Amino acid sequence: QSVLTQPPSVSGAPGQRVTISCTGSSSNIGAGYDVHWYQQLPGTAPKLLIYGNNNRPSGVPDRFSGSKSGTSASLAISGLQAEDEADYYCQSYDSSLSGWVFGGGTKLTVL
Amino acid sequence: EVQLVQSGAEVKKPGESLRISCKGSGYSFTSYWISWVRQMPGKGLEWMGRIDPSDSYTNYSPSLQGHVTISGDKSISTAYLQWSSLKASDTAMYYCARMSDYGSGSYYNRNFDYWGHGTLVTVSS
Repeated sequence: QSVLTQPPSVSGAPGQRVTISCTGSSSNIGAGYDVHWYQQLPGTAPKLLIYGNNNRPSGVPDRFSGSKSGTSASLAISGLQAEDEADYYCQSYDSSLSGWVFGGGTKLTVL
Repeated sequence: EVQLVQSGAEVKKPGESLRISCKGSGYSFTSYWISWVRQMPGKGLEWMGRIDPSDSYTNYSPSLQGHVTISGDKSISTAYLQWSSLKASDTAMYYCARMSDYGSGSYYNRNFDYWGHGTLVTVSS
């Protein structure tokens, strides 16, 4: 059971916009710790997608965006493409566990 | 170019010991922490623990403390993850990842900006 809760799956048609939620608590996101997002394509290592709640590393398309409010954060993907089909994970710090934590992951299917 | 190169896949029996490695290059190895992240078959990512290569300080996830040991050798820019007695439940892909504070200056606000390719560990009798 992850301390950051994500929906197991989301889906959308090419060109559409989808959002993935990440719900935490007062010991992690709600405590003000930043949220980061990762994309894991099938059979590969995770890749940093969004850092510091809403910043994109160099090379990440601006179709990907992040936001944070209260005890939750969201990843939005607009203009869905087939190559976006992957697992997505949120990550933050948890003061109760004294360590870094991941969400359970969300599988994105492009219909 | 930043690279984290991990050691190859391992097949072990329950009760055996194992050490896997992660060699960093393309950056100052002692300037960034290294974490180990576990991914069990068909499951999500789980942070295991981290090491500061500059002084070898470590801290671990409470759920894994005592079962694994993280160490490092800064002279060869390498971090290690080791088990003294493997269990079948240790079967997983293990990733090393570089931790960055992305300029925040915060101990807590850190992401995993570069990842190794992963080391598959299979424990079976």
